[in-house]
Amino acid sequence: AQSVAQPEDQVNVAEGNPLTVKCTYSVSGNPYLFWYVQYPNRGLQFLLKYITGDNLVKGSYGFEAEFNKSQTSFHLKKPSALVSDSALYFCAVLEGKLIFGQGTELSVKP
Amino acid sequence: DAMVIQNPRYQVTQFGKPVTLSCSQTLNHNVMYWYQQKSSQAPKLLFHYYDKDFNNEADTPDNFQSRRPNTSFCFLDIRSPGLGDAAMYLCATAIGPNYEQYFGPGTRLTVT
Repeated sequence: AQSVAQPEDQVNVAEGNPLTVKCTYSVSGNPYLFWYVQYPNRGLQFLLKYITGDNLVKGSYGFEAEFNKSQTSFHLKKPSALVSDSALYFCAVLEGKLIFGQGTELSVKP
Repeated sequence: DAMVIQNPRYQVTQFGKPVTLSCSQTLNHNVMYWYQQKSSQAPKLLFHYYDKDFNNEADTPDNFQSRRPNTSFCFLDIRSPGLGDAAMYLCATAIGPNYEQYFGPGTRLTVT
């Protein structure tokens, strides 16, 4: 069965430091992978996707993600975190429908 | 410019009193989705329309129904809301089933 795992419920980072939000997946075939961000009392915003091509995908707000087929991972990264990046982040795989991970709360402190 | 619009943003209804949530889109996307999201959990897909074709998730309660009268609008009807139906309801659209989804801001439903 298809699944997505985000092993960390919360990630704490100091402003200006690099951040990583982890995601691993289990699917049959080639995965369509997505990252979404959700601010309090808002809908989800699309950040980036991997369908095919370069393993390093660049997205909105300076975020990027690296697709690693051998490790079945799709970690979200940003070189320098901002306080405004604090939000709930969801990794998802698309197989007929979006299958979400459980979400990771990112907290960036000044 | 708003692309996926949900009204109202906050809805309060009484236990057992029918309620309708609405979603509209200016993207002309073929697919529209309804999700339920509880307290920072992952969104749970309730159903979706691919054009006029309705697709219900197997575990969506019968209490939930949907209508899509045209490309732009989609409605979520909760026939007899229970306390457990209090949640954020998210509408999303996509060009097609294998494309990224664009979400509206959500409607937070409170059941008293």
